[in-house]
Amino acid sequence: AQRVTQPEKLLSVFKGAPVELKCNYSYSGSPELFWYVQYSRQRLQLLLRHISRESIKGFTADLNKGETSFHLKKPFAQEEDSAMYYCALSILSGGYNKLIFGAGTRLAVHP
Amino acid sequence: EPEVTQTPSHQVTQMGQEVILRCVPISNHLYFYWYRQILGQKVEFLVSFYNNEISEKSEIFDDQFSVERPDGSNFTLKIRSTKLEDSAMYFCASRIGKGVSTDTQYFGPGTRLTVL
Repeated sequence: AQRVTQPEKLLSVFKGAPVELKCNYSYSGSPELFWYVQYSRQRLQLLLRHISRESIKGFTADLNKGETSFHLKKPFAQEEDSAMYYCALSILSGGYNKLIFGAGTRLAVHP
Repeated sequence: EPEVTQTPSHQVTQMGQEVILRCVPISNHLYFYWYRQILGQKVEFLVSFYNNEISEKSEIFDDQFSVERPDGSNFTLKIRSTKLEDSAMYFCASRIGKGVSTDTQYFGPGTRLTVL
C-alpha cells in the first residue's frame, strides 16, 4: 500500500541550527515526491519537488530510493521557517494522479 | 500570480443538513481535487475530477458526497446530510494537465466545516 511517514510531529530548533525533517515512503511504482509548507493560517504551498532538484528558501531534499526517503534539510534555520511541513507522494491511478500526504511535522524555530 | 480560491472560509451547520463548499480553480487548469483534513490528522484525498466527471474517489467519498462543475469556473463539493465526523478542513486543489504526473497541485486556503 502507498504510504508516507513523517515520524516527528514537532521539531524544535534554535535559529541558525541545521534542520532535517524526515520523510519515508512506501510505493511500488516510480515515486514522485513533494514537500508542501503551510505557514500559520495560510494555504498549503509547494516548497519543492524531487524532480526539479531545486533549492527553495535554502531547503533541499534528495530522493533516496534505497532508503525510500525524501528528507528535507536546511543548514541554518530561520525564525520565518516556522510552519507545518508535509511530505507528499504523487501516485498514478488509472492515468490520473493524486497526492498521499504524511501526517506533517511542525517546525518551530526559536530565536 | 493566480490562486485557487474557496468559499466560505468557515461553515457551521447542523447535523443532517446539506452543505455546498465552493472552489474556483486556476483558470487554465484541467484537473480538480478535494482533500480533507480532520483536526490533528493528515490531509486525505477525497476525489479527483476531470472532463466533467470523477476520475477517482476514495473510500471516504461515499454516496453522501458529490462534486460538480456547474458553470465552467466553480467546482463544488456537496455533502447531502452532514454527520459530526464530517467536521474538517476541506481543501480544493487544481493542476494544469494530464500525463505529467509531476505536475504541481495548487491548493486553496480551505473551508473549515463544523457540524454541530
